[in-house]
Amino acid sequence: EIVLTQSPATLSLSPGERATLSCRASQSSSYLAWYQQKPGQAPRLLIYDASNRATGIPARFSGSGSGTDFTLTISSLEPEDFAVYYCQQRDSWPPTWTFGQGTKVEIK
Amino acid sequence: QVQLQQSGPGLVKPSQTLSLTCAISGDSVSSNSATWNWIRQSPSRGLEWLGRTYFRSKWYNDYALSVKSRITINADTSKNQFSLQLNSVTPEDAAVYYCASGSHYVSYWGQGTLVTVSS
Repeated sequence: EIVLTQSPATLSLSPGERATLSCRASQSSSYLAWYQQKPGQAPRLLIYDASNRATGIPARFSGSGSGTDFTLTISSLEPEDFAVYYCQQRDSWPPTWTFGQGTKVEIK
Repeated sequence: QVQLQQSGPGLVKPSQTLSLTCAISGDSVSSNSATWNWIRQSPSRGLEWLGRTYFRSKWYNDYALSVKSRITINADTSKNQFSLQLNSVTPEDAAVYYCASGSHYVSYWGQGTLVTVSS
């Protein structure tokens, strides 16, 4: 079973700064996604297949990486981007999904 | 645009069965390209995928090992919905439960149901 480790746990930044979030997997997988979650809401898909933006996601969000090391970058933080971000992978066998523990991006 | 509407009780007694339903609009539960999932979220366990059901000429189910002995996910084609049953709940099962659609990732989420386990 895949284990996803996200770092850092918390990122304290100011609006306009660049955010770089990391997700490391215990096994290689082709299917890596990133989600954003705000309080009281369900997560929202941002990035799929490691680097493809989901429909309606602004260009300041980008994903990169392959194999076991992946990165979500927010090029210039907007006030609405302060939230918790999760990575997720699908394992082929057993056919399961695994989520990381999350990175909170907070206002400095 | 797929919409998922969850229903079910928010309070379950220990040792009893948690039952939730997810009504689908904008797609068919028996679509050959869709996959229907249940995910939960708690402070202690984070986001945890529980299982899925999908139709590919016949019905299939996959379940997380952590709940495999206690979980059933079923589809109801007459009502275009799918359901979650989790037996023998304990306080560890208290969480926000989400239904979700997607094969490799979640494209659409239900609104979430906060389930408390208490007598």
